Amino acid sequence: DQQVKQNSPSLSVQEGRISILNCDYTNSMFDYFLWYKKYPAEGPTFLISISSIKDKNEDGRFTVFLNKSAKHLSLHIVPSQPGDSAVYFCAAGDTGTASKLTFGTGTRLQVTL
Amino acid sequence: DAGVIQSPRHEVTEMGQEVTLRCKPISGHNSLFWYRQTMMRGLELLIYFNNNVPIDDSGMPEDRFSAKMPNASFSTLKIQPSEPRDSAVYFCASSLGQGYSYEQYFGPGTRLTVT
Repeated sequence: DQQVKQNSPSLSVQEGRISILNCDYTNSMFDYFLWYKKYPAEGPTFLISISSIKDKNEDGRFTVFLNKSAKHLSLHIVPSQPGDSAVYFCAAGDTGTASKLTFGTGTRLQVTL
Repeated sequence: DAGVIQSPRHEVTEMGQEVTLRCKPISGHNSLFWYRQTMMRGLELLIYFNNNVPIDDSGMPEDRFSAKMPNASFSTLKIQPSEPRDSAVYFCASSLGQGYSYEQYFGPGTRLTVT
């Protein structure tokens, strides 16, 4: 069963506009969440994280929002840039199970000029 | 630090052959993870180690898959015999481990093609 879901396989956004990537999870034990970015022929790289004690975390153009009651998180990129074009993975973990992460299937973001 | 190192970067083999993928984690990291990336399932955890000990291998698809970590700086993922459905990109990742950081650092991956 897919405990972390990214229901949009792809997203196209114009340069300068906001990109919103969504992620849903089903396991209520998850208490920290991460977003990774992946370029072709490279491994995923860490972007931003949030723990369940917060509902928002911001790092420059990237903000992650967490809605625990809805078991939903989102990544906002403002403003979007062409270099942001990549596959974005949402991941979730449970502090009770060491450092294991469960990943979603990814959303391919294309930022157009 | 050089980051997580994986070899080979590409592997093409025939069905039935043995395949060995290699990983060198970041020095000082206590946890090591093997993932498989496919279109349908995204990044799928196969197995992970803490302090060289396998903790959870529930993601290993079949007995054809095995993984070892003989020391803190080296791990292998072996497929014997390989099948066309094993074709995927395999990633190794490492992290400081529980109580320190949950952020995982990924290698560049090995693209495996089984014909």
